[in-house]
Amino acid sequence: AQSVTQLGSHVSVSEGALVLLRCNYSSSVPPYLFWYVQYPNQGLQLLLKYTTGATLVKGINGFEAEFKKSETSFHLTKPSAHMSDAAEYFCAVSPFYSSASKIIFGSGTRLSIRP
Amino acid sequence: KAGVTQTPRYLIKTRGQQVTLSCSPISGHRSVSWYQQTPGQGLQFLFEYFSETQRNKGNFPGRFSGRQFSNSRSEMNVSTLELGDSALYLCASSPALQGTDTQYFGPGTRLTVL
Repeated sequence: AQSVTQLGSHVSVSEGALVLLRCNYSSSVPPYLFWYVQYPNQGLQLLLKYTTGATLVKGINGFEAEFKKSETSFHLTKPSAHMSDAAEYFCAVSPFYSSASKIIFGSGTRLSIRP
Repeated sequence: KAGVTQTPRYLIKTRGQQVTLSCSPISGHRSVSWYQQTPGQGLQFLFEYFSETQRNKGNFPGRFSGRQFSNSRSEMNVSTLELGDSALYLCASSPALQGTDTQYFGPGTRLTVL
């Protein structure tokens, strides 16, 4: 069975500060991992995804995430926060190479940026 | 390419009524998934259709149903609406089954049940 835990339902950082959003997963098989962002009154947009290969994944808008199998983590980071980063972020997991799979989303982390 | 479109964007219904929501996927995408998003329960998977067949289903009552047409457009139906069905309903499409590919989300339909 798979599950996703996002630590912290709300994170607040100052503009220009490091953004760190935490995600831990549980999966009995190698996972695909995703980060999505949702701006107010919009659907979700893919930030980045890990399938296989390089464990450090770079996404859009300067975000990146590192797959750490030993820690079952896939934390999202950005070196310098911008006001436009304020949104809700969702981590998601699905089993690798499973045609019968479905993606499991975390409960989301709302990111606020202080001027 | 045009993105995923959902109609209508907003809907107000009363308890006991039924509602049909529509989703047009990105051209060439064969998978359409539906999600319910609420402040209390977060993002919950309803079902996925691929090539007109339901491939996956979440834990929702039978009042929630869907279908997919040969052009990959999908509809979701909720019968006998309850207050708790008030939510943002999101549709997502992907070229292949959702577990193996990136999903592209529409803006959602906000349903309010009075």
